[in-house]
Amino acid sequence: NAGVTQTPKFRILKIGQSMTLQCAQDMNHNYMYWYRQDPGMGLKLIYYSVGAGITDKGEVPNGYNVSRSTTEDFPLRLELAAPSQTSVYFCASSFLRDTEKLFFGSGTQLSVL
Amino acid sequence: TQLLEQSPQFLSIQEGENLTVYCNSSSVFSSLQWYRQEPGEGPVLLVTVVTGGEVKKLKRLTFQFGDARKDSSLHITAAQPGDTGLYLCAGPGGSEKLVFGKGTKLTVNP
Repeated sequence: NAGVTQTPKFRILKIGQSMTLQCAQDMNHNYMYWYRQDPGMGLKLIYYSVGAGITDKGEVPNGYNVSRSTTEDFPLRLELAAPSQTSVYFCASSFLRDTEKLFFGSGTQLSVL
Repeated sequence: TQLLEQSPQFLSIQEGENLTVYCNSSSVFSSLQWYRQEPGEGPVLLVTVVTGGEVKKLKRLTFQFGDARKDSSLHITAAQPGDTGLYLCAGPGGSEKLVFGKGTKLTVNP
């Protein structure tokens, strides 16, 4: 049972480039989330989804976009990357509401130079 | 927005020592979760506390939820190098989303 799988593990982007961070879960979870983690700043919610076809903004959505066409996949799109988007990105999922146990992926370390 | 303050921010101790880290808020939480994050990995849930005054034990880790449900503590007895990591507390914030504290980075030296 793989759980939550994120790809890639590391990525370097130039300012203005775009990319998609992939996230897939095989636990049939309804809820999926994207967080970013900056040193000493904890986890900030970017976007979340309560099911296929339904997404909503979190605390820091600017510069990002998401889609949820299937229960399993929840990709995060960065358009026109900026240095402020240098961070570690975590995808997570939960079966019920996000106040239940979250299962996290192993993260994507992104540098924008 | 409900906020969770964790202290200390950093803690470096020797193997065998005891330690306590704290998670505090001015708001009441219906529950609090504790996660441990190891370098290069995502957080992993350790425990959820739900009832005011509740104490839960996980081997050498003891978690307590304050009577007023505004604070929680994590006590580790006889710390080991394997306890090294970032300890995060989290609780339901507005709109039923989890809010996370900034974490306590623990280093246990052999």
